[in-house]
Amino acid sequence: SAVISQKPSRDICQRGTSLTIQCQVDSQVTMMFWYRQQPGQSLTLIATANQGSEATYESGFVIDKFPISRPNLTFSTLTVSNMSPEDSSIYLCSVVWVRGEVNEQFFGPGTRLTVL
Amino acid sequence: GENVEQHPSTLSVQEGDSAVIKCTYSDSASNYFPWYKQELGKRPQLIIDIRSNVGEKKDQRIAVTLNKTAKHFSLHITETQPEDSAVYFCAASGTSYGKLTFGQGTILTVHP
Repeated sequence: SAVISQKPSRDICQRGTSLTIQCQVDSQVTMMFWYRQQPGQSLTLIATANQGSEATYESGFVIDKFPISRPNLTFSTLTVSNMSPEDSSIYLCSVVWVRGEVNEQFFGPGTRLTVL
Repeated sequence: GENVEQHPSTLSVQEGDSAVIKCTYSDSASNYFPWYKQELGKRPQLIIDIRSNVGEKKDQRIAVTLNKTAKHFSLHITETQPEDSAVYFCAASGTSYGKLTFGQGTILTVHP
C-alpha cells in the first residue's frame, strides 16, 4: 500500500489566520482526496485534488475557504483560510491505491487543527 | 447524494463474544463498501471491503455481508478481543473512486 505522510501533525492557530497542510505519498497515485473529521464525528469529503487542474469540491465546501493544490502525482496541499473555531477538526489526506483490478483507499495520519 | 446510516452507535461485548454492526445506504448505484477501524488518535485503517458483485467476504475473524436488494451491509467480528475496541466506520461509494460517504461510526468496547 502507499505510505502517506502529512505536515503538520497538529497545530493551534488564531482566528482569522490560514494554515496550509501538506500531504506526501511515497508513490504516484491518480486520485487524492481531502477529508475532514470534526471532533467525535465521522469523516466528510471536502474535495478531490486533481493533478494539473482545479480541485472538485463537495457540497458545502468552497475553493475560497479550502484552496487545494496538486502540482504532481505524489503531493497535495490543503489550505484552511480565514479560520474560525468551527474549523477545528482533523484534516485527512486520502489516496486510492490500485492493484490490478482492486482499488483500496487509505488515509494519511491526519492534521489535528485547533482554532482559538 | 448518498446517505449511509450506521447502527448501533455504541456496542459493548464480552471478550469472546461476536459483534455485529449494520449499515444501510440509499444510492442503488453504490458498488464499493469498505469498513474502517479507528483507534483513539489514529488514522482510519481499512479492515475489510466488499464490492457489489460479491455477497460475503471473510478475513480471519472479520466478515462482511452485502444485501444489494435491501441496500444494507454488515460487519461481523467473531471471538472479539480487547484489541478490537475502537470506532468502526462503514462507507459507500459508487463509480467515483475515493468519494466515500461514511456512516456515523460505532464505538465498540470489548470487556476482558
